[in-house]
Amino acid sequence: QSALTQPASVSGSPGQSITISCTGTSSDVGGYNYVSWYQQHPGKAPKLMIYEVSNRPSGVPDRFSGSKSGNTASLTISGLQAEDEADYYCSSYTSSSVVFGGGTKLTVL
Amino acid sequence: QVQLVESGGGLVKPGGSLRLSCAASGFTFSDYYMSWIRQAPGKGLEWVSYISSSGSTIYYADSVKGRFTISRDNAKNSLYLQMNSLRAEDTAVYYCARGPVAGTLDYWGQGTLVTVSS
Repeated sequence: QSALTQPASVSGSPGQSITISCTGTSSDVGGYNYVSWYQQHPGKAPKLMIYEVSNRPSGVPDRFSGSKSGNTASLTISGLQAEDEADYYCSSYTSSSVVFGGGTKLTVL
Repeated sequence: QVQLVESGGGLVKPGGSLRLSCAASGFTFSDYYMSWIRQAPGKGLEWVSYISSSGSTIYYADSVKGRFTISRDNAKNSLYLQMNSLRAEDTAVYYCARGPVAGTLDYWGQGTLVTVSS
């Protein structure tokens, strides 16, 4: 049940694109197409942004996209907007648990 | 619309117990796995436990195994977390969430704060 590895922080200017990586192992990220991404604003509950590696729930802008290669998943946000500034967490399902990444703070400059 | 409302948090002394509840509405509760996730102050998300739709399958994080018990009452559309032998490091906001569904926790409650301190 080791946490997935994410960069502590990323930043970008409005209109730019950023990518957040999420590295696990063959027992979690690499073993299942069950990677999710959550956005959390300060004092708020997490909100699902991407599920099953690359699918967007209804209502999530198509500026948000996900992908996976081997044991590393990625979240890309294009056309950065001020409201995208938040913490982002990846998660992966395993056979007997859910494991989260340590979180990445996105700053929109 | 899906709603999850946690309750039962508060201040408790080390070694004490607390029972959290999560009231669900807006979906057929008995069809879904349910989970508890916690977040210590200023820290990241930590999965705690999940329970299958019938209650027959349960998993816990190693950090709470043997001390916490997850349960559900499908007739009352409610999820519970009994927390015993609480430690300072259990201090966190506790969220209930629907799922995992295909590995996803698709709806989350607003959370309830548990503080373990003497």
